[in-house]
Amino acid sequence: DAGVIQSPRHEVTEMGQEVTLRCKPISGHNSLFWYRQTMMRGLELLIYFNNNVPIDDSGMPEDRFSAKMPNASFSTLKIQPSEPRDSAVYFCASSKGGPTEQFFGPGTRLTVL
Amino acid sequence: AQKITQTQPGMFVQEKEAVTLDCTYDTSDQSYGLFWYKQPSSGEMIFLIYQGSYDEQNATEGRYSLNFQKARKSANLVISASQLGDSAMYFCAMREMDTGRRALTFGSGTRLQVQP
Repeated sequence: DAGVIQSPRHEVTEMGQEVTLRCKPISGHNSLFWYRQTMMRGLELLIYFNNNVPIDDSGMPEDRFSAKMPNASFSTLKIQPSEPRDSAVYFCASSKGGPTEQFFGPGTRLTVL
Repeated sequence: AQKITQTQPGMFVQEKEAVTLDCTYDTSDQSYGLFWYKQPSSGEMIFLIYQGSYDEQNATEGRYSLNFQKARKSANLVISASQLGDSAMYFCAMREMDTGRRALTFGSGTRLQVQP
């Protein structure tokens, strides 16, 4: 299996621009997670989906962030407008149902200038 | 309150020696899972080992073992026979299952450096 796929791997943009991060989970996994990693806050959950339905979006910082999962094999995280404080590594992870591990994608390193 | 506490920001160990990375957790759930992940300098998150709260035996995966002490709410990772490639950040994480919430809560991590 190819593992969790994220694109782009690196993104540099200017403040105010729209940024879209993409994720393809492992086939057969029904839960998908978006995490953000920063030096100040560590790894924190932004949102997660179960069977394509958003279950917990309490970690989404504010209205500038939105996430979708139109089907079982694709999810997006959008930031509009982006701000310098959004600079971080954004990870997508997926898992099967039950108490199993989450498999992480390689992450997208976002830099907002 | 911190749900996952890793009190060692950094650790050094000599190659071929064993090292223990500490993790304590806080939850009122009866059912939960504890995970350890490794993050090398390349940035990816690599799953190492899992322990369920009802598991009687400590989990082991190759050179990794989890020293689970439920009453003390600790889930320390033990790496035996350290290798240079073990140098990385290590994160302890918990999933609380009573509520059905599937997301992981992570600790702040421990940076391990293996010295030749």
